[in-house]
Parts: sequence; structure tokens; C-alpha cells
Amino acid sequence: AQSVTQLGSHVSVSEGALVLLRCNYSSSVPPYLFWYVQYPNQGLQLLLKYTSAATLVKGINGFEAEFKKSETSFHLTKPSAHMSDAAEYFCAVISYSGAGSYQLTFGKGTKLSVIP
Amino acid sequence: ETGVTQTPRHLVMGMTNKKSLKCEQHLGHNAMYWYKQSAKKPLELMFVYSLEERVENNSVPSRFSPECPNSSHLFLHLHTLQPEDSALYLCASSQDPGRDRSYEQYFGPGTRLTVT
Repeated sequence: AQSVTQLGSHVSVSEGALVLLRCNYSSSVPPYLFWYVQYPNQGLQLLLKYTSAATLVKGINGFEAEFKKSETSFHLTKPSAHMSDAAEYFCAVISYSGAGSYQLTFGKGTKLSVIP
Repeated sequence: ETGVTQTPRHLVMGMTNKKSLKCEQHLGHNAMYWYKQSAKKPLELMFVYSLEERVENNSVPSRFSPECPNSSHLFLHLHTLQPEDSALYLCASSQDPGRDRSYEQYFGPGTRLTVT
């Protein structure tokens, strides 16, 4: 079964600094990978997704992620953090659960704090 | 209304009460999902409906009963809940993943449930 592991439950960066949130996947087939963001008291919003096209994927709000098969990684980055980026970020992978059914399997999430 | 809406946003109920959570999607999708988000736990998929038929039930206790009367509406009926059922319940929708390989899910804002 496919799964993802997010390293670091909490990451703090200074405003203007690089944001790096780590995600490693485990998959026996080429994976479809996603990053979602959750702001306080809100649902999840799709940031970006990898679907086996370009390995560098650009998303909303200046975020991007690079798929590296050799490292089984799909880390999320942003060159310069804004205060508004403070949120929880979830990495997810599509899993096939049989009988034509697919489901998203999420990591435990990484809470990003941005220090002024 | 746009996107995925959920009502109520907050619910406090006793262990002997019966209540229902409602989800409505305005995206023309034909698959809908219930997730449970607890503190310190990964997002848990509870139920999946595709084309109004339940295709996934991840060993959820019978005190949770889903209903999908049409492709735009999804309910979660609750009865005799336990305090450990207190959580954020998220609804999501997508195109039928067996046919549309984008696999993107769109989430509602959630219902914060407290069981006393």
C-alpha cells in the first residue's frame, strides 16, 4: 500500500526565509502525490499535485515541489516565507484500494510557523 | 454557494443525542467522502461514495451512518456517540476517480463536533 511520511510535525521559519517541508513516499507503482494546506478553522486546500508529468511542480501561493524518484521524496518549498503561510501542510498519495476504488492517504501533517 | 459547503460548522451533542452533518458540493462532481480529523492523528477516511453508491467503508463504527441521496449531497448521521468521537469532520468531493485520473479532492470547511 502507498503511504507518505512527513518529517517534522512543526517547522518554524523567519519571514522572508526559505520554507522546506519534507515528504517521503512509499509506493510500488509510480505515485500520484499531493500537497494540501489547512488554515485554522478551515478545510484542506490543494496546493499542487504530481501526476508523472514534469518533476518540478508549481502550485499556488508561490509554492513548488520536486518529485525525486531516487530519493522517494516530494518536498515542498517556497523561496520566501510570508506571515500568511502559517498553516498546517499535508502530503498525500493516491492509493488503490481495490474494486476500482482509490483513496487519498495523508501524512500526519507539518505545522508551519512564520516568525516576524 | 460555491465549492463544498458543510453545516453546521460547530456541533455539541450529548452521548444519547441523534444529529446529522450535511455536506453539499457545487462542483458537478460524482464522488463524495467523509474524513475524520483528530488531534495528533492523520486524516482518516471514513466513507466514500461514487456515483451515489458506497464504495468504501473503512471499518467505521455503526454509530456513524452515511447517506448519499444524490451526487450533490452527503449526510453523516450520528447516534450514541462517545467522547473520543469529538473531532473535525471533513467532507470532500471529486470526479469519480475510476474515470477521471486527476484524483483531486476538494474539501469543505468541516464540522467541529464535540461529544459531551
